[in-house]
Amino acid sequence: SQELEQSPQSLIVQEGKNLTINCTSSKTLYGLYWYKQKYGEGLIFLMMLQKGGEEKSHEKITAKLDEKKQQSSLHITASQPSHAGIYLCGAGSSGGSYIPTFGRGTSLIVHP
Amino acid sequence: GAVVSQHPSRVICKSGTSVKIECRSLDFQATTMFWYRQFPKQSLMLMATSNEGSKATYEQGVEKDKFLINHASLTLSTLTVTSAHPEDSSFYICSAREAGSGGPSTDTQYFGPGTRLTVL
Repeated sequence: SQELEQSPQSLIVQEGKNLTINCTSSKTLYGLYWYKQKYGEGLIFLMMLQKGGEEKSHEKITAKLDEKKQQSSLHITASQPSHAGIYLCGAGSSGGSYIPTFGRGTSLIVHP
Repeated sequence: GAVVSQHPSRVICKSGTSVKIECRSLDFQATTMFWYRQFPKQSLMLMATSNEGSKATYEQGVEKDKFLINHASLTLSTLTVTSAHPEDSSFYICSAREAGSGGPSTDTQYFGPGTRLTVL
């Protein structure tokens, strides 16, 4: 089965700093999703990446899927307290089947 | 993006009672919905896959007689926790799968806001 490894597990940054979260898959990714979750709430869909080398942005959040399609990075520029939460990467497909898998999440705290 | 609702958002019940949680896709039809359980500071644990018009597929270790899933329509799936016990207290999240135009790899999961279950 496909496994997703996220790093770091937690991150504490000062407001205004840039940061990067990584998601590494044990198998080729056919669709990689990034979600944000505030504590005790549901998941908010941020973006989906499919093609190797693809890069997408949502406000100050940028995610990229590497060429080999086994790793994705999420980058936040000039972080703000509103960025705080848990970031989860997820994969919905393994070849032709749909098997939802998620990383363990990265907890982000942004100090004002 | 697409919207998925869950009801109730929070429920407190007595041990031994049953609790039903509803998951609805509001602006799209979902042939597949997923039910997850999340413990504090942990990732999502897939409990079961709910397919419209057929029996749910449960993950290993999840009791199907305890967690009853019904997916009666393309926009509604329900999870019933039967004879709830304190150890069933958790955060339950559903998601609905929206089909993409290019096969399974283009599908997207949209999540409900979750239901906090507390069993006394």
